[in-house]
Amino acid sequence: DQQVKQNSPSLSVQEGRISILNCDYTNSMFDYFLWYKKYPAEGPTFLISISSIKDKNEDGRFTVFLNKSAKHLSLHIVPSQPGDSAVYFCAASARGAQKLVFGQGTRLTINP
Amino acid sequence: KAGVTQTPRYLIKTRGQQVTLSCSPISGHRSVSWYQQTPGQGLQFLFEYFSETQRNKGNFPGRFSGRQFSNSRSEMNVSTLELGDSALYLCASSPTGVNYEQYFGPGTRLTVT
Repeated sequence: DQQVKQNSPSLSVQEGRISILNCDYTNSMFDYFLWYKKYPAEGPTFLISISSIKDKNEDGRFTVFLNKSAKHLSLHIVPSQPGDSAVYFCAASARGAQKLVFGQGTRLTINP
Repeated sequence: KAGVTQTPRYLIKTRGQQVTLSCSPISGHRSVSWYQQTPGQGLQFLFEYFSETQRNKGNFPGRFSGRQFSNSRSEMNVSTLELGDSALYLCASSPTGVNYEQYFGPGTRLTVT
């Protein structure tokens, strides 16, 4: 039972354009959501998070949107840069659960 | 501030052996979590420790165990290794738990032959 799903295994975007990565979840108890970026042979790097009391959080080029009614979140990267090429994971947690549930990841490739 | 460190970075073991992996969290962080990453299953939660107490455990067999010391450093142990235990084992730390950002170490790549 996959509670967090990233339905796009890969995404290719031109440099300078917007990258939109999507994530769906099924567990209504999730109240905190995070996005991580991962390069090969490295651990995931935290990018941005959002609490369920918000619907948007912005940090520089990265913005996360949360639609609780649709159980959907997305990560927008504007403008996309070559260094953004990596695998992106969304993760969710439920208060008190003390664990993160990860999606399967989306490989983002930024083309020059 | 130094990041999360994990040792060793690479390890090759034989089926039936046991292995111990080590994790040092970011200074001041008291929560340490462990995850297993495999191509087929993605990132799966193993367990989380806070102040030397295990607060949650994932759906892994009892061969997987862990502990946390008073200085917040943590170890995980896998006994009677199986081929399917080959994976990247990641440790993450946070100040108090998962409703804060967790910071990951580089991982230990375990290969079981």
